[in-house]
Amino acid sequence: DAEITQSPRHKITETGRQVTLACHQTWNHNNMFWYRQDLGHGLRLIHYSYGVHDTNKGEVSDGYSVSRSNTEDLPLTLESAASSQTSVYFCASSPRGGSDTQYFGPGTRLTVL
Amino acid sequence: GQNIDQPTEMTATEGAIVQINCTYQTSGFNGLFWYQQHAGEAPTFLSYNVLDGLEEKGRFSSFLSRSKGYSYLLLKELQMKDSASYLCAVGPGNTPLVFGKGTRLSVIA
Repeated sequence: DAEITQSPRHKITETGRQVTLACHQTWNHNNMFWYRQDLGHGLRLIHYSYGVHDTNKGEVSDGYSVSRSNTEDLPLTLESAASSQTSVYFCASSPRGGSDTQYFGPGTRLTVL
Repeated sequence: GQNIDQPTEMTATEGAIVQINCTYQTSGFNGLFWYQQHAGEAPTFLSYNVLDGLEEKGRFSSFLSRSKGYSYLLLKELQMKDSASYLCAVGPGNTPLVFGKGTRLSVIA
C-alpha cells in the first residue's frame, strides 16, 4: 500500500547540532510539505515543494532548509538546532495543487537540549 | 492575510450531537477541509467542502457558507473515540492549506 513515512520518530539532540528529518512517500505525489505543531499554535508551515528541484518558504522557515532531488523524498534540515525548535514535525503530501487534500506522515518528535 | 478561528475546547456527552464552528478570512478560496487528530497522532482527513451546503458522511457532516466565511463540523451519536482535536483548514488557491489552531473535543460519559 502507498504511504508516507517519517524517520526518526523521536530524536533528542543538542543545541547547535545539524539535524535532518526524513520524509518519504510512495504515492508519487508532486506536492510535499513540512509543518511543525506546538501547543497554542496549531500546524505551521515550514517549507513546501511542488515538484523535483522546487522548494518554497512557509510561515516559519528561518533556521530550516529542504531540498527535493526526487519525487519521493523531502528531507528537512535544521542547520544549527535551537531549543525553540523543540516541536513535533509533520510531513504531508498531496496529489494536485497547493490547496488539495493533504495526507500526513506519523510525525517526528524532536527535542533540542 | 489569512485568519481561521475555531473554539479552543469543547466538551460533550456520549451519544449527543456537537457542532464545531470555524470562521475564516483568506485571500482566496478553493475549498474548506476538516481533519481529525487524536492525541499523539497525525491529522487525518475527514471532509472537504467547496460549494455551499451540507455534506454528510456517516455520523459526520460538514457545512459551508462561502458568503459568510463560515463552516461547521457536526458529529452525531458521539462516541468516546471521537475525543480528539478537529482542525479546520482553508485552501486559498495556489498556495498550501492554512490551518486553524484546532478544537479539542472531550467526550464524557
